[in-house]
Amino acid sequence: GEDVEQSLFLSVREGDSSVINCTYTDSSSTYLYWYKQEPGAGLQLLTYIFSNMDMKQDQRLTVLLNKKDKHLSLRIADTQTGDSAIYFCAETLPYNNNDMRFGAGTRLTVKP
Amino acid sequence: ETGVTQSPTHLIKTRGQQVTLRCSSQSGHNTVSWYQQALGQGPQFIFQYYREEENGRGNFPPRFSGLQFPNYSSELNVNALELDDSALYLCASSGGTGELFFGEGSRLTVL
Repeated sequence: GEDVEQSLFLSVREGDSSVINCTYTDSSSTYLYWYKQEPGAGLQLLTYIFSNMDMKQDQRLTVLLNKKDKHLSLRIADTQTGDSAIYFCAETLPYNNNDMRFGAGTRLTVKP
Repeated sequence: ETGVTQSPTHLIKTRGQQVTLRCSSQSGHNTVSWYQQALGQGPQFIFQYYREEENGRGNFPPRFSGLQFPNYSSELNVNALELDDSALYLCASSGGTGELFFGEGSRLTVL
């Protein structure tokens, strides 16, 4: 497909793990990113993974990359209420590194 | 080190008018990118400026134009505003690492 696709909503209980999934468009994409957007704010880079890696861990965050299926996931361990936000998956296109293509975002709601 | 700042934060225009949005890049960053984020959507790439030259453009019509100044700050200009131009306009600056640092955006409403 031509769009970066994400589920629109995810709801979890505080302390559980959250897994946000994304399907990107181009198997040649060089970098894949996860951004967080809180209400009324800009985008904050959470983590990124280079296309020659299949996993990256950074504290509570784990990124998994399946290049064959063009599938990217973000796992947040021990999810907290402060993690409630919209999470965007993004790819840098190989033929135009200046164009970062974003998904529509997954709204994560963490219930106490 | 100051982050990316954008102005104005909110503005309302009517169809057919013109708007200028401003962005100050993070200290030391020479590249500025502009994105349009419609309600409920992800950001869409408009264009990028590197050392005062346009360095890539997304699928936006020519009435979307920009400038970058010697201090690397930037402007986004939109002429002949349409209702569908209502969105959050995000500016992001980057330095040598390629990581984008976003401002909080300018929310434009076109009536």
